[in-house]
Amino acid sequence: KAGVTQTPRYLIKTRGQQVTLSCSPISGHRSVSWYQQTPGQGLQFLFEYFSETQRNKGNFPGRFSGRQFSNSRSEMNVSTLELGDSALYLCATREGTDTQYFGPGTRLTVL
Amino acid sequence: SQQGEEDPQALSIQEGENATMNCSYKTSINNLQWYRQNSGRGLVHLILIRSNEREKHSGRLRVTLDTSKKSSSLLITASRAADTASYFCATGGQGTGANNLFFGTGTRLTVIP
Repeated sequence: KAGVTQTPRYLIKTRGQQVTLSCSPISGHRSVSWYQQTPGQGLQFLFEYFSETQRNKGNFPGRFSGRQFSNSRSEMNVSTLELGDSALYLCATREGTDTQYFGPGTRLTVL
Repeated sequence: SQQGEEDPQALSIQEGENATMNCSYKTSINNLQWYRQNSGRGLVHLILIRSNEREKHSGRLRVTLDTSKKSSSLLITASRAADTASYFCATGGQGTGANNLFFGTGTRLTVIP
């Protein structure tokens, strides 16, 4: 099976703009989780989607949102970007076991 | 915070030596997972150990879990230059948050050829 894919791989935005990142799960995986990785805070859970519903949410402001489509593909959106939003954004998908499989990530730089 | 801590933060060894990294966590767990990350790329799942297991092997990897001490260790035997990466332990949340992974701070391993 093909692995988890994320697009775009790199993104440069300016403060105040918004951004949308995409994640396509491994075929058959219905759960998609998003994580933010920064040098200062490490890897932090953003939210999880399952069957088009947000199942869990981490401790992030409302500027961070997401959705999941009927084909399990997921998008996350960050509005009103701040410099501190510069990070590697990772998505992970899961079929039903405990193991989560990660995509290569999207590197977002906010100038 | 449920985030765990890993020790050491950085480790440098010669190729062929063994590498041991430790992870401590704070809450009760169902399982603990170890991941590898190469230079800012995605995470690669290495091994999962359940709370009722004490030791697990996968190739050159050996993981132990001590739930009474809330700690785990990852041993990489006969290290190779290709093992150079950051290694993270991750535990799940509780209840409905069981699928949320809380990551440790990571150990940066450098294997010198």
